[in-house]
Amino acid sequence: ETGVTQTPRHLVMGMTNKKSLKCEQHLGHNAMYWYKQSAKKPLELMFVYSLEERVENNSVPSRFSPECPNSSHLFLHLHTLQPEDSALYLCASSQDEGGYYEQYFGPGTRLTVT
Amino acid sequence: GQNIDQPTEMTATEGAIVQINCTYQTSGFNGLFWYQQHAGEAPTFLSYNVLDGLEEKGRFSSFLSRSKGYSYLLLKELQMKDSASYLCAVRDQDYKLSFGAGTTVTVRA
Repeated sequence: ETGVTQTPRHLVMGMTNKKSLKCEQHLGHNAMYWYKQSAKKPLELMFVYSLEERVENNSVPSRFSPECPNSSHLFLHLHTLQPEDSALYLCASSQDEGGYYEQYFGPGTRLTVT
Repeated sequence: GQNIDQPTEMTATEGAIVQINCTYQTSGFNGLFWYQQHAGEAPTFLSYNVLDGLEEKGRFSSFLSRSKGYSYLLLKELQMKDSASYLCAVRDQDYKLSFGAGTTVTVRA
């Protein structure tokens, strides 16, 4: 596979469930990102990892917990979510966290919290 | 916080030209990006401007004026496949990328 992949593509979960989103990049990049995209709103940056270390956490509620076991994989662990957390969750990667490199996005996971 | 404004929607005819404006107010500036996002798909990189002026890539061009906090994306010879959302994103002094809400372009036959 090439580029950035995300699984699952769609997820429906109850507020008491625990689930995880997975992202994998096959580009040899050093930085990975989680974004939340809600309808008609700007992409919201949630977390940034550079060389497997978290470098940014944009005041995201603790019910979202990221994990970056290596430079190719990024997870977002979800627990006790709220209906307002329903959105498209996008993973992205770039050559490095700073600099002038564009980000490559995965297709996203469409999350619905019931 | 950062403020990035772009129109919500635009409609144009196949073969025409459309210009999508983006104005921004950010803490410093380290580059502006345009992304295209088709419904249900990932955003894909279109262009990058860090110096004033016009960058041309085939049918798409992007312009930047740093003094005015302004950019536009110009789509020429519109095709039906250009119907998508176009996202303006600005990198600030800390290299943090902030996105606008996107402009949905509808191309009609």
